[in-house]
Amino acid sequence: NAGVTQTPKFQVLKTGQSMTLQCAQDMNHNSMYWYRQDPGMGLRLIYYSASEGTTDKGEVPNGYNVSRLNKREFSLRLESAAPSQTSVYFCASSEAGIHNTIYFGEGSWLTVV
Amino acid sequence: LAKTTQPISMDSYEGQEVNITCSHNNIATNDYITWYQQFPSQGPRFIIQGYKTKVTNEVASLFIPADRKSSTLSLPRVSLSDTAVYYCLVGDPGGFKTIFGAGTRLFVKA
Repeated sequence: NAGVTQTPKFQVLKTGQSMTLQCAQDMNHNSMYWYRQDPGMGLRLIYYSASEGTTDKGEVPNGYNVSRLNKREFSLRLESAAPSQTSVYFCASSEAGIHNTIYFGEGSWLTVV
Repeated sequence: LAKTTQPISMDSYEGQEVNITCSHNNIATNDYITWYQQFPSQGPRFIIQGYKTKVTNEVASLFIPADRKSSTLSLPRVSLSDTAVYYCLVGDPGGFKTIFGAGTRLFVKA
């Protein structure tokens, strides 16, 4: 039972490069999320997708784009990476709404130099 | 969105009971209280959720007073493996934007 799977786990980018973080869940959940976590900080919501076909901004959407490819997959794209985007990124999913037990992936460590 | 306030850190010893209190003075009628645990280099993991009074599962208990302006996560007989960050979240079950905050870092010592 894989749960929420993110790739890549580690990535180093140069400033200005673009990349896409991939996320897939096998729990048939309707809602999916992307968070970032900076050292010693809590999680901040970047974007979420309440259901297939919809996406909405969270607290810190600037510099990111998302795509809800299908019910299973929700990708996060950095179009032009900046050092301020160095962080750990977590994908998550839930049945419907954040308080319906949200399940997190293992995280993607991104460094922008 | 209801804002939560938790202690930044707590220390305990193995075998002790640990109580972490979260304040949420502006909790709304429809809001539930949910606690998550995060180990280093891992994503958060759901621990327990409640609306009022007391909820207990195999991992923890959650105490919520009648006014619901605070809640207390109780971990019985902690072990070294309970060293983690604990987050208190408050929000509408049907909502999607919930602020995690910095959480409480629990250190369990031998």
